[in-house]
Amino acid sequence: KQEVTQIPAALSVPEGENLVLNCSFTDSAIYNLQWFRQDPGKGLTSLLLIQSSQREQTSGRLNASLDKSSGRSTLYIAASQPGDSATYLCAVKITGGGNKLTFGTGTQLKVEL
Amino acid sequence: GAGVSQSPRYKVAKRGQDVALRCDPISGHVSLFWYQQALGQGPEFLTYFQNEAQLDKSGLPSDRFFAERPEGSVSTLKIQRTQQEDSAVYLCASSLYGDQPQHFGDGTRLSIL
Repeated sequence: KQEVTQIPAALSVPEGENLVLNCSFTDSAIYNLQWFRQDPGKGLTSLLLIQSSQREQTSGRLNASLDKSSGRSTLYIAASQPGDSATYLCAVKITGGGNKLTFGTGTQLKVEL
Repeated sequence: GAGVSQSPRYKVAKRGQDVALRCDPISGHVSLFWYQQALGQGPEFLTYFQNEAQLDKSGLPSDRFFAERPEGSVSTLKIQRTQQEDSAVYLCASSLYGDQPQHFGDGTRLSIL
């Protein structure tokens, strides 16, 4: 059974700092990996999607990397802002496992002024 | 509407009552997913539809949970004889096809007293 773990569970940083969020998964036979953002009381907003054949994806200040062999992904946020405060979730879609997503427990990020 | 719409946003029910949660996917999206998110956890897969066909219901926790999508558009998740452990946020997502990115609604927060 695929298990997804995110470290740290919570993180507080001053504005402007660069930071890295970690995601690890136990089964390397993934179809893709996706990073989401969730604001309190809201649904999930997709940030980046990395196909299994890709190593990284970039969008603005966000960069996500994928290392299938080691079962790891990182989300790098450059020059963090208070508006980045949210919970960040990674999710994997398993090859041959249907189209469902398996989520980690999330990292709750707070960027302080 | 432009996004996935869920109703009601909040639902309070007494233990033992039946509840019905509604999801309106993005128009034209073939695939529809239901997830359950407990407090402080990542979403967990419940069930998946392709048009009106329920292709995967492996995540439904018990036979008290039932989902349908009779016309291949709106979906309803029904929980019979609710119990306190059913308290969670229920998220609906849709995608154009099964392997495309999933777009999430804001969820229904269910509280069982």
